[in-house]
Amino acid sequence: GAVVSQHPSRVICKSGTSVKIECRSLDFQATTMFWYRQFPKQSLMLMATSNEGSKATYEQGVEKDKFLINHASLTLSTLTVTSAHPEDSSFYICSAPGSTYEQYFGPGTRLTVT
Amino acid sequence: GDSVTQMEGPVTLSEEAFLTINCTYTATGYPSLFWYVQYPGEGLQLLLKATKADDKGSNKGFEATYRKETTSFHLEKGSVQVSDSAVYFCALSDSGSARQLTFGSGTQLTVLP
Repeated sequence: GAVVSQHPSRVICKSGTSVKIECRSLDFQATTMFWYRQFPKQSLMLMATSNEGSKATYEQGVEKDKFLINHASLTLSTLTVTSAHPEDSSFYICSAPGSTYEQYFGPGTRLTVT
Repeated sequence: GDSVTQMEGPVTLSEEAFLTINCTYTATGYPSLFWYVQYPGEGLQLLLKATKADDKGSNKGFEATYRKETTSFHLEKGSVQVSDSAVYFCALSDSGSARQLTFGSGTQLTVLP
């Protein structure tokens, strides 16, 4: 089956610094990828849709300048959390659509901002 | 807009008990329906899916039937195991939304030996 990887799996950073999270489709191409955020014991909230070669589409309430998304190739999308603060601590998950109506999810990245 | 309403948890069952997790949806088109499972410390995995009315998705002893008349996709398993302990998410994908998923709130299942 299709595999989506994320790196890093866990990251701890200091308040005010920036963190980059990578999402890769390992054995298929993805012109679109989705970024979700999951708070403890809650559902996944879609943050943005990453489009290869064009600007990302952000959901209402998500700060574009804080969560920078770059979809530089057909297999890589990155999410950069800029000037991170403790309230940005969360579990970030990416996904990519498969050839049918399916999504393949990455294992997630646990971000902790101290 | 699209929405998914899922039975709130947590749900605690004894091993070999019968499981039902209710899920209903609202969608403008003809969505595909999914159940995803998230084991502790891991990402989401597709458990089963159904893409049209009356389809039954099944996997690992779990089943769910796409009921258009009741807009439901309830998850069932006849005999749960301790290893089924996880969070279960019902989700839909609207055919007109580039396969973007809308998730329910998730149901935490704990199975006791």
